[in-house]
Amino acid sequence: DVKVTQSSRYLVKRTGEKVFLECVQDMDHENMFWYRQDPGLGLRLIYFSYDVKMKEKGDIPEGYSVSREKKERFSLILESASTNQTSMYLCASSLGGLADSYEQYFGPGTRLTVT
Amino acid sequence: AQSVAQPEDQVNVAEGNPLTVKCTYSVSGNPYLFWYVQYPNRGLQFLLKYITGDNLVKGSYGFEAEFNKSQTSFHLKKPSALVSDSALYFCAGSWGKLQFGAGTQVVVTP
Repeated sequence: DVKVTQSSRYLVKRTGEKVFLECVQDMDHENMFWYRQDPGLGLRLIYFSYDVKMKEKGDIPEGYSVSREKKERFSLILESASTNQTSMYLCASSLGGLADSYEQYFGPGTRLTVT
Repeated sequence: AQSVAQPEDQVNVAEGNPLTVKCTYSVSGNPYLFWYVQYPNRGLQFLLKYITGDNLVKGSYGFEAEFNKSQTSFHLKKPSALVSDSALYFCAGSWGKLQFGAGTQVVVTP
């Protein structure tokens, strides 16, 4: 089974802090994704990566950056956390380079609260 | 713009009755279509996908979905719902990137 793990289940940070969310997958997947999930809005794509050191902006990249130094690890960075970034953050991975027909495998999520 | 829509915020069904969760997609090329389920305090799990071929797709946990091109729909169905099917269900379409619907909360009562 594919396993996607996220470094924290719950995180509380203060406004202005730099926040790192880590994601690791163990199935040698090329693609990795970061989403945020908010009630009534579904999942919205923040950034994705289709290879090591490659990244692409998703639908809502503002206020976020990412890093992928190793194939199995994809980090989401909030440079200066703000209260409107309070949300559930989900990491996912999938096969296939740029192919979009492969299902994504999700981690358990990190619920981030910014106070 | 390419998108999927889930017209119902919540679906209530009695255990043993048929369950249907609706999804429609925008007409722009031929999307790949997916259903995911999210149980409380857990990440999303893949249920099934439509790529091409047979319009009826069978997936995990007894779920199936029917691709209907004329109605631009991809409804999720289960003949007999279980209490354990209570969860949040997401439809998603891929036109290069995966676009998720807002989600439908399914409540199955004993």
